[in-house]
Amino acid sequence: EPEVTQTPSHQVTQMGQEVILRCVPISNHLYFYWYRQILGQKVEFLVSFYNNEISEKSEIFDDQFSVERPDGSNFTLKIRSTKLEDSAMYFCASSDWDRGFHEQYFGPGTRLTVT
Amino acid sequence: GNSVTQMEGPVTLSEEAFLTINCTYTATGYPSLFWYVQYPGEGLQLLLKATKADDKGSNKGFEATYRKETTSFHLEKGSVQVSDSAVYFCALTRLTGGGNKLTFGTGTQLKVEL
Repeated sequence: EPEVTQTPSHQVTQMGQEVILRCVPISNHLYFYWYRQILGQKVEFLVSFYNNEISEKSEIFDDQFSVERPDGSNFTLKIRSTKLEDSAMYFCASSDWDRGFHEQYFGPGTRLTVT
Repeated sequence: GNSVTQMEGPVTLSEEAFLTINCTYTATGYPSLFWYVQYPGEGLQLLLKATKADDKGSNKGFEATYRKETTSFHLEKGSVQVSDSAVYFCALTRLTGGGNKLTFGTGTQLKVEL
């Protein structure tokens, strides 16, 4: 069964460093998403991406964040200068349009730890 | 804005016990409602959904009914198994024709013991 994959599973970085989180969505999907979950808190929407552009973003997704689909298979989330509060589990998801409903398929997540 | 509130965990049950995980929501208009499950080391998986009032979503013995009058979507299962141990997330979305963001609750960890 097709699945969304994410790498790395765990990333440790120092404050102020750039990180890139990688995702490989399901191959025929058209919509891509990033969510994050700070430990003990809700899963929060960050951004959705369709047709090579951002379709919606949350307040969290400020100028420090960017997304890219560089080669037609990967979907990346970049954080330019990490802060301690960026420590969280980051989930990638992808979906397609099926009779008026998008089921979002999630990856296993990348745990980002900023020290 | 939209929000989802679900009961805090962890919830610990004996095998074959009855499960209820409460979920209530706040949303404008008519959202679609979901339960996602996350097994250890895996991503979030859609467990069941309901797209309009009074719909009942069901899957793998779990069920939840979309109650507009009480803005609730409680998850139930009549007899839990050890293999049901996971984190359960209630979520909603507004289907607007394009990519639809999900709004999640905090998740409820379920532990089922023999």
